Amino acid sequence: EIVLTQSPATLSLSPGERATLSCRASQSVSSYLAWYQQKPGQAPRLLIYAASNRATGIPDRFSGSGSGTDFTLTISSLEPEDFAVYYCQQRSNWPPTWTFGQGTKVEIK
Amino acid sequence: QVTLKESGPVLVKPTETLTLTCTVSGFSLSNARMGVSWIRQPPGKALEWLAHIFSNDEKSYSTSLKTRLTISKDTSKSQVVLTMTNMDPVDTATYYCARIPGDYFDSSGYYFDYWGQGTLVTVSS
Repeated sequence: EIVLTQSPATLSLSPGERATLSCRASQSVSSYLAWYQQKPGQAPRLLIYAASNRATGIPDRFSGSGSGTDFTLTISSLEPEDFAVYYCQQRSNWPPTWTFGQGTKVEIK
Repeated sequence: QVTLKESGPVLVKPTETLTLTCTVSGFSLSNARMGVSWIRQPPGKALEWLAHIFSNDEKSYSTSLKTRLTISKDTSKSQVVLTMTNMDPVDTATYYCARIPGDYFDSSGYYFDYWGQGTLVTVSS
C-alpha cells in the first residue's frame, strides 16, 4: 500500500507570503496525485488533480508540481481564506485503494 | 448541479451495525464513467478512505476495514449505501461520500471532485 507523507505538519505564515507544501509517496504514483483544501466544519474541496491541473474555479495562486514520488502545492500569496488544512491523495493501481496524506495545516502567524 | 448528501443515524451503540446512505443528484449512478466512495474523518484527524463502488458495480474496500464494510448502490433511487458492522467508539467520525468522475482506467478515475457535507456519527453506549 502506498503511503503519502506530508510536510510540514504545520506551516505558520502571514497573509501575502508564499506557502510551499510537500507530499511524498512511498512509491511512484506517476502524476496521479490530487490536492484538497479543508476548512473547519466543511468538506474537503478539490484544488489540484493530475499533480498540476487546477480544478474548476480554483484561483491561479494555487499551483501544483511534481511527478513520481515528490509533489508540491504552492500558494503564491496567501489570502485570508487560504488558512486551512491541505491534503494530498492518490489511488493505488491494484487493488484500487485510495489514500490521503496526514495533512498540512496552514495557520496565520 | 451535482450534489451528494449523506444520511443516517447520529448515534450508534458499540457492536451495532451502521448504515449510511448517500443520495446523489445532478448525475446518474448508471453513468458508465462515475463512481462513489465513502471517506471518514475522526474529529481533529486526517481523512480515511473506506470503500468505492464503480459504475459496473465492482467494489473496492479499505484493506484494514474490509471485513466490516459493504458498499452497494440503487441506481433507481440514486443512492449509495455503506454498512459497517461491529461499531466501536474509535469509529466516531464524520462520514463523507464523494464522487469520482471517471472509471478505473480513466485518467480521471482517482480523484474526488464533489463531496457531500458529511454526517457526524458518534459511537457510544
